[in-house]
Amino acid sequence: DIQMTQSPASLSASLEEIVTITCQASQDIGNWLSWYQQKPGKSPQLLIYGATSLADGVPSRFSGSRSGTQYSLKISRLQVEDIGIYYCLQAYSAPWTFGGGTKLELK
Amino acid sequence: QVQLKESGPGLVQPSQTLSLTCTVSGFSLTSNSVHWVRQPPGKGLEWVGAIWSGGSTDYNSALKSRLSISRDTSKSQVFLKMNSLQTEDTAIYFCTRVRPWFDYWGQGVMVTVSS
Repeated sequence: DIQMTQSPASLSASLEEIVTITCQASQDIGNWLSWYQQKPGKSPQLLIYGATSLADGVPSRFSGSRSGTQYSLKISRLQVEDIGIYYCLQAYSAPWTFGGGTKLELK
Repeated sequence: QVQLKESGPGLVQPSQTLSLTCTVSGFSLTSNSVHWVRQPPGKGLEWVGAIWSGGSTDYNSALKSRLSISRDTSKSQVFLKMNSLQTEDTAIYFCTRVRPWFDYWGQGVMVTVSS
């Protein structure tokens, strides 16, 4: 199975700060990587697909990038509504696997 | 509009079988794949398994021996069956559409395994 190592597990940041979350894949997964945001008591919401494409309706302050087998989610200017837990997911091969999640809090 | 809704028992006894249904609307199961994802209380997301548009299935390696996913396309329903339930199977179970990313999710159903 492909392992997705996500870091950090938790992150405290200030409003307007730049935030970066990373996922390291245990093998090549191409661009078969997506990012999700989950707020308490809610279902996850798609943010980024294909490693770098912004999902419909997602603010442009979110962006995704790839360097080899390392993938990053960047929030350019943190807003209050961005607080939640973020997950990456590899869809290169079954079984699909999620990263462990990053809990983003306000400082 | 696209909707997915999970249903099933909220409480299951240890060693028993869990049966969940995902009823979808706004899209066809013969053209779209549906996956199951679960989340234990206070923990992260875990991919459970998938039924692809062609009807084939894939399962989480750790759950494979206990898990079965099927569908009834005429009723727009996807079924999850998991046997020999343990307390570690306590979780919110979500169904989600794949295109090929998880673009729509159900609200989830909480399943508690307890005697």
